[in-house]
Amino acid sequence: EVQLVESGGGLVTPGGSLRLSCVASGFSFSSYNMNWVRQAPGKGLEWVACISSSKYINYADSVKGRFTISRDNAENSLYLQMNNLRVDDTAVYYCATESWLDNWGQGTLVTVSS
Amino acid sequence: EILMTQSPATLSVSPGERATLSCRASQSLSSNLAWYQQKPGQAPRLLIYVGSTRATGVPARFSGSGSGTDFTLTISSLQSEDFAVYYCQQYNTWPRTFGQGTKVEIK
Repeated sequence: EVQLVESGGGLVTPGGSLRLSCVASGFSFSSYNMNWVRQAPGKGLEWVACISSSKYINYADSVKGRFTISRDNAENSLYLQMNNLRVDDTAVYYCATESWLDNWGQGTLVTVSS
Repeated sequence: EILMTQSPATLSVSPGERATLSCRASQSLSSNLAWYQQKPGQAPRLLIYVGSTRATGVPARFSGSGSGTDFTLTISSLQSEDFAVYYCQQYNTWPRTFGQGTKVEIK
């Protein structure tokens, strides 16, 4: 069974940093493209970043230059380093597999507030 | 960036009735479009990918159609568990983009 478990969310002040993790199990992690998708409270879904199985990376314009996606295939883990956080980065952050996002974690809440 | 527009924003349907949801892209996607269902407090669930292929375990009452810029998700006979928010998403081009969602509510 595919499992994705996010962690690392919490409360941070504007300008601060946070590192999210997603631990994967039940599939061949190294062969999969991996994504971060976020959802602000009461709002729709927003794709954030993707790292391919060959470590090719793409970002949404809203996070480019502030967020860094990475992966450790030996640890079956996906990461999102978030720097210079803004109030509008407040959201539940999900990790999800592949281009059509066929598996999702339960999400981790990031709150940016003073 | 490809703009995805879903309509209607809210759809009021009685159980057992048919629901038709629309998703339009600002440029051609070929068939690189997915549909998701999200219930309150839950992560989204993939329903349809490549425009019309049902994901594993998705009931046959869910069907997707379309290509290019116009896509449709049809729920043939709404069950109580189908009342939720539905999103379309394109994965043809970077950055990936979602529609704003259609809420299917009980009439």
